[in-house]
Amino acid sequence: AQKVTQAQTEISVVEKEDVTLDCVYETRDTTYYLFWYKQPPSGELVFLIRRNSFDEQNEISGRYSWNFQKSTSSFNFTITASQVVDSAVYFCALSEDPIIQGAQKLVFGQGTRLTINP
Amino acid sequence: ETGVTQTPRHLVMGMTNKKSLKCEQHLGHNAMYWYKQSAKKPLELMFVYSLEERVENNSVPSRFSPECPNSSHLFLHLHTLQPEDSALYLCASSQDNGGVSYEQYFGPGTRLTVT
Repeated sequence: AQKVTQAQTEISVVEKEDVTLDCVYETRDTTYYLFWYKQPPSGELVFLIRRNSFDEQNEISGRYSWNFQKSTSSFNFTITASQVVDSAVYFCALSEDPIIQGAQKLVFGQGTRLTINP
Repeated sequence: ETGVTQTPRHLVMGMTNKKSLKCEQHLGHNAMYWYKQSAKKPLELMFVYSLEERVENNSVPSRFSPECPNSSHLFLHLHTLQPEDSALYLCASSQDNGGVSYEQYFGPGTRLTVT
């Protein structure tokens, strides 16, 4: 069965610090997809990144970067020079090969609540 | 309107009431989803519709009844709910082409309180 673990329930840092959010996943499939979503206080989940299991290249987008390591089944997310606006709950999610007529089943981790203090 | 919209944003209902949640996506996607987000549980997938056909019912009690009249609209009909059904209900949509799992786009959610 697929499972996503975000061991850090809450993280609090001071603005401009770097912070890494951990994500560990379990799956028996060789083809799968990993996602990160941000949920600000407004409630809407905002898509950040999608990575498939065959692409282990790390990705950088502005202050955000992601480290995908299949050897440790991890897909960690780092925010560099954090800002107050980064405060939110961040979710890591896993989707295996779509097996239900083209739609997908996303399995989410518990989420990490990140607070950036001024 | 852009993205995924949900109405109402907040709903308070008694256990004997019947109400409906509405979701509309303006992204031209072919799959839509209902999720439940409770305070102490991870996001739980409830229902999946692909090309207007329900393809997944994740052991959801029958007091929740989904409806997908077309690829842009999704409803969740509620009746005789329990207080433990109080949660944030999120709708999402995606474009899935069999074999590739694209990202889901979420609406702002409906905060439901059952009294």
